[in-house]
Amino acid sequence: GQQLNQSPQSMFIQEGEDVSMNCTSSSIFNTWLWYKQDPGEGPVLLIALYKAGELTSNGRLTAQFGITRKDSFLNISASIPSDVGIYFCAGQRSGGSNYKLTFGKGTLLTVNP
Amino acid sequence: DVKVTQSSRYLVKRTGEKVFLECVQDMDHENMFWYRQDPGLGLRLIYFSYDVKMKEKGDIPEGYSVSREKKERFSLILESASTNQTSMYLCASRDRVFGGYTFGSGTRLTVV
Repeated sequence: GQQLNQSPQSMFIQEGEDVSMNCTSSSIFNTWLWYKQDPGEGPVLLIALYKAGELTSNGRLTAQFGITRKDSFLNISASIPSDVGIYFCAGQRSGGSNYKLTFGKGTLLTVNP
Repeated sequence: DVKVTQSSRYLVKRTGEKVFLECVQDMDHENMFWYRQDPGLGLRLIYFSYDVKMKEKGDIPEGYSVSREKKERFSLILESASTNQTSMYLCASRDRVFGGYTFGSGTRLTVV
């Protein structure tokens, strides 16, 4: 099955630094979602984007839905140790099999205190 | 909040055993999904169900089957467990309006 191109695969940063990751696709999505997975747990939804060009914040997290509908990015400002985990992007099309999400392979974030 | 509960956090089974992984959601969602997660491979869809007694194969259905007899419960069955099925298994359900998934905490299965 198709997967989104998510980059970088991993990041190792110092506490307090800002982080940026992105997802790209060759096809259009109508919804973009960003999830975080803590070690040993299931993914938890961070931000949902429903409109091209939309910029949404959730605390120190900011995500944008690309205007082409083929990409999205997630920024984390002033990282802290509890930001450690795997971040997944996911896209959803409307119509047809619209109940399925397409996932990126994830970005593993490590924060050094 | 929607809750998706997976019956076991950790399981160890022997090769050849029949294994049942159970998932229950409490928000009357129609769509439910089973994924496996392996390092470097991301989330891979095994099976999904868009309603009671309805099921469709995902990307990697070989060696697995599913059962959805009641709306709230979606079971994944490993007919004859093999070592290459050692993995983290994640169940999810989908809200029809919002569209996103809510995941369970996962079951880490080891087949020895």
